[in-house]
Amino acid sequence: AIQLTQSPSSLSASVGDRVSITCRASQGISSALAWYQQKPGKTPKLLIYDASSLETGVPSRFSGSGSGTDFTLTISSLQPEDFATYYCQQFKSYPLSFGGGTKVEIK
Amino acid sequence: QVQLVESGGGVFQPGESLRLSCAASGFSFSDYAMHWVRQAPGMGLEWLAFIRYDGSYISYADSVTGRFTISRDNSKSTLSLQMNSLRADDTALYYCARFGPYAFDVWGQGTMVTVSS
Repeated sequence: AIQLTQSPSSLSASVGDRVSITCRASQGISSALAWYQQKPGKTPKLLIYDASSLETGVPSRFSGSGSGTDFTLTISSLQPEDFATYYCQQFKSYPLSFGGGTKVEIK
Repeated sequence: QVQLVESGGGVFQPGESLRLSCAASGFSFSDYAMHWVRQAPGMGLEWLAFIRYDGSYISYADSVTGRFTISRDNSKSTLSLQMNSLRADDTALYYCARFGPYAFDVWGQGTMVTVSS
């Protein structure tokens, strides 16, 4: 099974900061990776698919990059509504898997 | 609108069985693969099971293989998860999710399952 390791597990940042979250796969997954945002008490929301494609309606301050085993989610200018937990997920092979999550908190 | 609504959760004892349902509306259910995902309290997301749009292919996480069974009824736009031999570590919020063109693009609100003696 493919393991996904996210780092950091949490971070503190201020509004306007540039934030990057990494996701490392235990084996190559090409670009079969998605990123989700989850706010407390809410369902996950798809942000990025195919490692770097922005889901319709998601603000352009969100971007994804990477392929193979190393991936990054970047928020170019953190907004108050972006404080949440972020998860990566691989679709390369079954069983599917999620990363452990990265909680983005207000500094 | 496109919607998934889970039901069937509650409080159960270890060893018991239950069946979760996910009612789909607002889209052509039979065109989409569907998944179950769970989230234990305060924890991350755990993928559980997948069923192809026509039911012809199924896959499970190792943690539930042999205990959980995913199924679907396209005539009723309903996804199900039969959960047997419940354990305390099955306590979680259970989501059904639609696999859109590229990823999980629609999620239900979840149904809570608590396993406790």
